[in-house]
Amino acid sequence: SQKIEQNSEALNIQEGKTATLTCNYTNYSPAYLQWYRQDPGRGPVFLLLIRENEKEKRKERLKVTFDTTLKQSLFHITASQPADSATYLCALPPDTGRRALTFGSGTRLQVHP
Amino acid sequence: EAGVAQSPRYKIIEKRQSVAFWCNPISGHATLYWYQQILGQGPKLLIQFQNNGVVDDSQLPKDRFSAERLKGVDSTLKIQPAKLEDSAVYLCASSLGDVSNQPQHFGDGTRLSIL
Repeated sequence: SQKIEQNSEALNIQEGKTATLTCNYTNYSPAYLQWYRQDPGRGPVFLLLIRENEKEKRKERLKVTFDTTLKQSLFHITASQPADSATYLCALPPDTGRRALTFGSGTRLQVHP
Repeated sequence: EAGVAQSPRYKIIEKRQSVAFWCNPISGHATLYWYQQILGQGPKLLIQFQNNGVVDDSQLPKDRFSAERLKGVDSTLKIQPAKLEDSAVYLCASSLGDVSNQPQHFGDGTRLSIL
């Protein structure tokens, strides 16, 4: 079955730097991938969807890449701010049968002033 | 537009008791999901509804969990009897259609603690 891996260790960076988060997957070739942000005590919030034929997608300071050969998506936040501190989740569509997304465990980002 | 509403926000019960959670999705969203999120993990799907029909309940522990979506709008999730391992946040989400490439909109969840 499909497996999603996100770095369980928190990523600590200085304000103004670029944060890069990784989502790896195995046993699967998804047609697209979604990224969500989750703040403590809140539900996830949708950020971006990238399709397999879109190598890169941007939204304001966010950039997502999708490498189907490496089976990896990278999520970048440029000019990071303390307000970007949160847990970021990647999610993949179903491999067989089921229609709902499968979420990774998320990576916590901490941006220090 | 109003977001996904969930209640209660917190619930503390003893094991073997029963508990129910309520969800009101975004108006017009046909698909409703219930997820369980254990601390440090991503949301795990429990059940998916399309209008008032069940699309996927393969990961729902049916011996103790039940869910319904009467009239294709609000939904309730029930646990009876609760076990210690049910301590988690229960998230409700909704989307316009049942195609998984559509964004899901989440409520803020119910944090359940089992004593």
